[in-house]
Amino acid sequence: KNEVEQSPQNLTAQEGEFITINCSYSVGISALHWLQQHPGGGIVSLFMLSSGKKKHGRLIATINIQEKHSSLHITASHPRDSAVYICAVRSGETSGSRLTFGEGTQLTVNP
Amino acid sequence: ETGVTQSPTHLIKTRGQQVTLRCSSQSGHNTVSWYQQALGQGPQFIFQYYREEENGRGNFPPRFSGLQFPNYSSELNVNALELDDSALYLCASSLRQSDPYFGPGTRLLVL
Repeated sequence: KNEVEQSPQNLTAQEGEFITINCSYSVGISALHWLQQHPGGGIVSLFMLSSGKKKHGRLIATINIQEKHSSLHITASHPRDSAVYICAVRSGETSGSRLTFGEGTQLTVNP
Repeated sequence: ETGVTQSPTHLIKTRGQQVTLRCSSQSGHNTVSWYQQALGQGPQFIFQYYREEENGRGNFPPRFSGLQFPNYSSELNVNALELDDSALYLCASSLRQSDPYFGPGTRLLVL
C-alpha cells in the first residue's frame, strides 16, 4: 500500500461542474501539498497545508489531520483546469524532509 | 527573479552510459531536491541537498549521485544507465520547509 493514496485516478467532468479529488496518507506529516502538473511535465504548487482550509480563486483545499485526509475542490470547473493533480506529503520536521507523492489524478474538463 | 531551470530539456542515452542533469534553483533558495517520475506515476524522491551537503536520500542505488554548488545550483549524475532509468527528472528548490518551486524537468530516454 502506498503511503499516499489519491482517488479517483481519472476524472472527467463537464465545464461548470464542482470537482473533488481526495488524498489519504498513512504517515506522520509536517505539511501536505497539492500540485498541478500539465502535459509538458512542469509542476506548479497550488497549496501547502498543515491544518484547516485554504482557498485560492476557484480552488479550495482542506485537510483533516486526525483522519489523515485531504481534499482538493474546484468550483465552476473549466477546460483549462485539465491537468494531473498530485497530492504530496512532507515528512520530517528537520533536515532531510522529503515529499512523498501520490500517483496523481488525471482531470479532464470538457466544454 | 528567475524561476527554477533545468537542462537539458530532453536527452537520449544508451544503456551503460553516464548522464549529468543540471538545475538552477530559484533565487535565494538554499535547498534542492531531485525526483524521478516514471510515465503514469507520481514522482519519487531521489535526494535533497542543503547548503552543498546531501540532506536525505530516497531508495535509489549509489549510481545516482549529486552535487550542490555554492550558488545552490545542483547536478544529478547517473552512472551505468539502465532502461528503467527512462523518466522525467524533476528538481525543486525551496527554503528548507517552504513551498517547493519545481523546474520544468528533463526527460531522459535510455535505449
